[in-house]
Amino acid sequence: AQKVTQAQTEISVVEKEDVTLDCVYETRDTTYYLFWYKQPPSGELVFLIRRNSFDEQNEISGRYSWNFQKSTSSFNFTITASQVVDSAVYFCALSSNAGGTSYGKLTFGQGTILTVHP
Amino acid sequence: NAGVTQTPKFQVLKTGQSMTLQCAQDMNHNSMYWYRQDPGMGLRLIYYSASEGTTDKGEVPNGYNVSRLNKREFSLRLESAAPSQTSVYFCASLQESTQHFGDGTRLSIL
Repeated sequence: AQKVTQAQTEISVVEKEDVTLDCVYETRDTTYYLFWYKQPPSGELVFLIRRNSFDEQNEISGRYSWNFQKSTSSFNFTITASQVVDSAVYFCALSSNAGGTSYGKLTFGQGTILTVHP
Repeated sequence: NAGVTQTPKFQVLKTGQSMTLQCAQDMNHNSMYWYRQDPGMGLRLIYYSASEGTTDKGEVPNGYNVSRLNKREFSLRLESAAPSQTSVYFCASLQESTQHFGDGTRLSIL
């Protein structure tokens, strides 16, 4: 069985602070994908990043960065110099290949509510 | 939002009523999904369709049925709505290992 845990239910920061959202996953598959999605107050789900299990390179996109460590089964997300517009619910998710039969099904974490105060 | 359209956006039902949530994608994707989102539980998979004409149960299929009549459309039906089905429902389609979501349907069962 697969599992994604986002231990931080809510985080509150002041604008310009850096913030890290934690994600820990469990899977028995050797081939899998990890994702982060953003859900702003308007409610839609916005895709942020996909990382496959064979690529442990960290990634940076503007103020966003992701740290993938297979040794600790973690895929953490850092926002540098946070802004009010970053306020949202952030979801970490896992999709495994499962011998080619998983058809991309996602297992989501519970989500972390991030509030950035001006 | 990435070519996945859900209708309606909001709906209120009475217990026991039936309803079909519609989802359509114009990106020629093979796989489509239905999730429900409840507070503190993330999104959970209800049903999915790997390709046109096939459907399979996800994590929480009880109380729901689905239809994939063609490649574009994947509908979710509640035959006899229950208050426990009050939730936000998301449809998604798969593009190169990444799911792209519709804007969601907020459903309340009274």
